[in-house]
Amino acid sequence: NAGVMQNPRHLVRRRGQEARLRCSPMKGHSHVYWYRQLPEEGLKFMVYLQKENIIDESGMPKERFSAEFPKEGPSILRIQQVVRGDSAAYFCASSNSGGNTYEQYFGPGTRLTVT
Amino acid sequence: GIQVEQSPPDLILQEGANSTLRCNFSDSVNNLQWFHQNPWGQLINLFYIPSGTKQNGRLSATTVATERYSLLYISSSQTTDSGVYFCAVTPSGGYNKLIFGAGTRLAVHP
Repeated sequence: NAGVMQNPRHLVRRRGQEARLRCSPMKGHSHVYWYRQLPEEGLKFMVYLQKENIIDESGMPKERFSAEFPKEGPSILRIQQVVRGDSAAYFCASSNSGGNTYEQYFGPGTRLTVT
Repeated sequence: GIQVEQSPPDLILQEGANSTLRCNFSDSVNNLQWFHQNPWGQLINLFYIPSGTKQNGRLSATTVATERYSLLYISSSQTTDSGVYFCAVTPSGGYNKLIFGAGTRLAVHP
């Protein structure tokens, strides 16, 4: 089953450390989206990437957060100098086209806890 | 930006009961998806339904795009249906980013 894969599933970081979250899209998909779910809330869009390009980062915090989707390998969401407010579930989704009529498939998420 | 409202916010059912969840959106959309987030936090695709009606087992969904709403029907509910149901839309004319509603939290008791 070549679904969307995310790792790690759980990540604990101390304040000030860096967090790296990885996402491998479904086979044949080249469009990746990251969403964040704060406790007891719905999911919020962060960033949309194609291979080697950031297409829409309108939901990304201006500081400490970055994302990439290199030609080879998974997409990475990087959070520098984490703070307690970054504790959340981070979901990755993929689609086989960037048009806005295409279904997105979600991974199992990475639960980040900042202590 | 587009607003997505789901109702009811919370729902408690006895096993075997039927239910209808509603999703209203404030502008035209090109994409509408329903998801189930189970108690372990996993997000499961239920339907991709920008318009029309679809059925999958005990679940079915209808979207009336011209009137800007979608309905999710759950029949003969089971305890495994518990969790949060999210509706998410992609507004017309923009990138393919999903805007999520706040969800309906469903608890099915035996």
